[in-house]
Amino acid sequence: EVQLVESGGGLVKPGGSLRLSCAASGFTFSSYSMNWVRQAPGKGLEWVSSISSSSSYIYYADSVKGRFTISRDNAKNSLYLQMNSLRAEDTAVYYCARQSLIHYGMDVWGQGTTVTVSS
Amino acid sequence: DIVMTQSPDSLAVSLGERATINCKSSQSVLYSSNNKNYLAWYQQKPGQPPKLLIYWASTRESGVPDRFSGSGSGTDFTLTISSLQAEDVAVYYCQQYYSTPCFGQGTRLEIK
Repeated sequence: EVQLVESGGGLVKPGGSLRLSCAASGFTFSSYSMNWVRQAPGKGLEWVSSISSSSSYIYYADSVKGRFTISRDNAKNSLYLQMNSLRAEDTAVYYCARQSLIHYGMDVWGQGTTVTVSS
Repeated sequence: DIVMTQSPDSLAVSLGERATINCKSSQSVLYSSNNKNYLAWYQQKPGQPPKLLIYWASTRESGVPDRFSGSGSGTDFTLTISSLQAEDVAVYYCQQYYSTPCFGQGTRLEIK
């Protein structure tokens, strides 16, 4: 079964750091570009960051550029998001999502991990 | 950056009736070299992650019921549910992948 499982969320104070992980299974992880997408409470979807299959291409939303770092370990079938200098507005459910090889949309999503930034 | 705008923000439709959701991009997402529109539609039910419904603006993902259809080209797109079922209550998002991904603000679909 194709599956993505996020972990690492939690409660953190403003200015703090957190590292999210996404464990992939059931497919050849090293062949796919991957994304992080977040959803603030009661709000819509916001794309956060993308990384190509070999980490050659990395992109960030302006809202997180310079604070968040996406990375992956293909040997461990894992995707990461290092989040520094966290702000209240970073509070959200963070999803990892696979980019389709066919059409570049996001065809597999994890269940999400919740990040709460509050003092 | 390409901005995606959906309309309406919310919609109430009777069971068995047609539901139509619109999505407009601030610039064309039609890639001339392959004549494909780089646009997807997702469905998100409460407490669940999004689910891909449509890609290339009009191609249904495997397993998606044929009452869901996508149309449009360039900057204007539509998601149509031909005969609304109770399980279709959800928030629907369009997303362009012509450049760095961007989602519309979402359209909440309810039963009238």
